Amino acid sequence: AQSVTQLDSQVPVFEEAPVELRCNYSSSVSVYLFWYVQYPNQGLQLLLKYLSGSTLVKGINGFEAEFNKSQTSFHLRKPSVHISDTAEYFCAVSAMNTGFQKLVFGTGTRLLVSP
Amino acid sequence: EAGVAQSPRYKIIEKRQSVAFWCNPISGHATLYWYQQILGQGPKLLIQFQNNGVVDDSQLPKDRFSAERLKGVDSTLKIQPAKLEDSAVYLCATQGQGLDTQYFGPGTRLTVL
Repeated sequence: AQSVTQLDSQVPVFEEAPVELRCNYSSSVSVYLFWYVQYPNQGLQLLLKYLSGSTLVKGINGFEAEFNKSQTSFHLRKPSVHISDTAEYFCAVSAMNTGFQKLVFGTGTRLLVSP
Repeated sequence: EAGVAQSPRYKIIEKRQSVAFWCNPISGHATLYWYQQILGQGPKLLIQFQNNGVVDDSQLPKDRFSAERLKGVDSTLKIQPAKLEDSAVYLCATQGQGLDTQYFGPGTRLTVL
């Protein structure tokens, strides 16, 4: 079975500052990794994904994440945040032997960007 | 391309009443998921369909929850009778054959009083 830990329930940051949202996972098999964003009263939208290849993955809205297999981490970063980045961010994993199915989500990190 | 549609967006009921949610997937997407997202938690899978067949319903509380996907397109999720702890957002997601991304609908926010 897989599990995901997002240690930070809330991250406050000022506009134009850099931010890192942490994600650690546990799995006995190889996994695919995803970050989703959820804006208020909306569904989840895919930010980026790691399937294979380069461990640095770039996504939409200027976000990027780095897969670190030895530390079982997939932290999300943005060099300069905007007010519009205020949302809930979810890290998720899917075991490779499920064919991209059966997502297991973390508890989410609320990013609060203030002026 | 139209996204995943869900209705209603909001529903308030009293405990022991019944409620149903509807999901219309992206055209051609064979796999459909229902997730439950309790406040402060990540989405938890309730049931997965492949076309009109159930692939995984191991986390569905079958004494009160039921779901169907007739003709392999639209799906409904029903709760009967509802309990206070069923208050949550119910998300529908769909996935195309062999594709690596699940696409989520806006969700239905259920409040049980």
